[in-house]
Amino acid sequence: DGGITQSPKYLFRKEGQNVTLSCEQNLNHDAMYWYRQDPGQGLRLIYYSQIVNDFQKGDIAEGYSVSREKKESFPLTVTSAQKNPTAFYLCASSTPGSTDTQYFGPGTRLTVL
Amino acid sequence: DQQVKQNSPSLSVQEGRISILNCDYTNSMFDYFLWYKKYPAEGPTFLISISSIKDKNEDGRFTVFLNKSAKHLSLHIVPSQPGDSAVYFCAASARGLRGTSYGKLTFGQGTILTVHP
Repeated sequence: DGGITQSPKYLFRKEGQNVTLSCEQNLNHDAMYWYRQDPGQGLRLIYYSQIVNDFQKGDIAEGYSVSREKKESFPLTVTSAQKNPTAFYLCASSTPGSTDTQYFGPGTRLTVL
Repeated sequence: DQQVKQNSPSLSVQEGRISILNCDYTNSMFDYFLWYKKYPAEGPTFLISISSIKDKNEDGRFTVFLNKSAKHLSLHIVPSQPGDSAVYFCAASARGLRGTSYGKLTFGQGTILTVHP
């Protein structure tokens, strides 16, 4: 049963703490992406990775960090430097070159108290 | 700089009628376009796509039209059903002459579609 999993669904953290959001895919996709969605806005790209051990900043990378040590996994760390971290975070994957269609996970709602 | 724009935040349609969702783009390098549907607190699901070499693509009740000269695309849903009520996002990518890209998508702000029974 192929797909993208994100955990947890809901996450609460205190201000000033770093938090890591998990994203795993078993679609054998090369590229993975992290987006943020705020109410009334579209999806904004945080980071993306086209291959293992390589990643690029997206449009709103400040205050975030990622790693891509395995093809299947692309965790996102929301650091204390992110000024407004409360949001809905979405992970996606694709295989660029054959199709640009990205497939999304169910998302993680992060609330910083 | 909003390169992909969905100027209608919401659309309300009667069940059985046609829903038309619109999207405009400014970047002339965009050559591949997608529509996604999203329910609250869930990830977007892919609906339909179109390459710039076409002006129409159809999949069941969903048809996407592309007008390259106007930099405009639209999604038609016929007939509309209450289960179609969701947020619809258009997205675009620049694949280039070789048909490859980094896979980056630029998304519009979304349009909330409500289909009334």
